[in-house]
Amino acid sequence: DGGITQSPKYLFRKEGQNVTLSCEQNLNHDAMYWYRQDPGQGLRLIYYSQIVNDFQKGDIAEGYSVSREKKESFPLTVTSAQKNPTAFYLCASSMGGTFQETQYFGPGTRLLVL
Amino acid sequence: QKEVEQNSGPLSVPEGAIASLNCTYSDRGSQSFFWYRQYSGKSPELIMSIYSNGDKEDGRFTAQLNKASQYVSLLIRDSQPSDSATYLCAVRNTGFQKLVFGTGTRLLVSP
Repeated sequence: DGGITQSPKYLFRKEGQNVTLSCEQNLNHDAMYWYRQDPGQGLRLIYYSQIVNDFQKGDIAEGYSVSREKKESFPLTVTSAQKNPTAFYLCASSMGGTFQETQYFGPGTRLLVL
Repeated sequence: QKEVEQNSGPLSVPEGAIASLNCTYSDRGSQSFFWYRQYSGKSPELIMSIYSNGDKEDGRFTAQLNKASQYVSLLIRDSQPSDSATYLCAVRNTGFQKLVFGTGTRLLVSP
């Protein structure tokens, strides 16, 4: 089955700890995205990547880091610098290249602070 | 002014009625528009996309776009309790693949 997988489903972070959220896709999509969703708010873009070995900051990149070493994978690290990390994190991917291309979402990871 | 605005709701409709969800956007050059449905605790799933002025129908769903008024809407005919969810409007800004999301409208369909 083609799709986007995210792991873990739930993640607990201790203060001062870095944690990494996994995102993998087998859709052969070029572009991948990370969003954060807080209760009652829309999705806010953290980082995006249009091609392997390249990525750009989104609207709320501070306290986060990413890598794009493989087309299929786009992990997100929530660093200790992110002071309010509790949120629902969504990874998405798309073909890229045209204004009509559609983003598809993974199931999400819920991050909680202990 | 927010880039993409939606009424947060909840919008309550009885089963079988038409639900009308609205979205306005600020970037006049926006070219593509999407409606996603999000059930509580789940990720968004695409319902409709629309790129040209007018109506686009897919089953019980109709998307309507008016670029002059910077307005996009989603109509759900014969609403079912299973349609109860938050509906997110997303707009692709000029010149880039980035999607800007509204905060969503919560729809409640009562049996």
